[in-house]
Amino acid sequence: SQQGEEDPQALSIQEGENATMNCSYKTSINNLQWYRQNSGRGLVHLILIRSNEREKHSGRLRVTLDTSKKSSSLLITASRAADTASYFCATDYSGYSTLTFGKGTMLLVSP
Amino acid sequence: NAGVTQTPKFRVLKTGQSMTLLCAQDMNHEYMYWYRQDPGMGLRLIHYSVGEGTTAKGEVPDGYNVSRLKKQNFLLGLESAAPSQTSVYFCASSTYTGTGTDTQYFGPGTRLTVL
Repeated sequence: SQQGEEDPQALSIQEGENATMNCSYKTSINNLQWYRQNSGRGLVHLILIRSNEREKHSGRLRVTLDTSKKSSSLLITASRAADTASYFCATDYSGYSTLTFGKGTMLLVSP
Repeated sequence: NAGVTQTPKFRVLKTGQSMTLLCAQDMNHEYMYWYRQDPGMGLRLIHYSVGEGTTAKGEVPDGYNVSRLKKQNFLLGLESAAPSQTSVYFCASSTYTGTGTDTQYFGPGTRLTVL
């Protein structure tokens, strides 16, 4: 399976703290995307980072990509209770027209 | 703009029954996808379509069929439902940039239980 892996599987922090989630993948990619899923809902796109990019920001989100290590990280700064959700990385492997999703990181932010 | 909609939201089937899940998008996207999500497994791709009249198999296609007769609709069929098909099904759509798969937009999901 080409499925990427997120680490950790679960993360519990207090409001105001930063949350970091990591994603590793297996072969060369066109891009890597991060999605968020609130319980019982569909996935919502957060950030897309292309293989020639090293870092992208969107509001309180910061994504890095290290193609030499085949890994990415998602940093959420100053977390809020509303950030409680599952976060998935998805890889667009070169030569395919689909995304491969990891199993996700469950983030719990306590007030 | 409704985005991606799925019908129905919930369904309970008995083993051996058939059903069709409907996905509709109003964003004029070329690409459409069907996923299933099971606890601890993330999303797994069932079938996808890169344009009207075309379909292709994903990671877990067995027991499912699909059709894309109109650009805005993507149907997922279960001909003879099995308990192993109990899952939450998500549809998604996207454009294709030529340099990679673009952002996927997801529907709200269909929760299917097969008894």
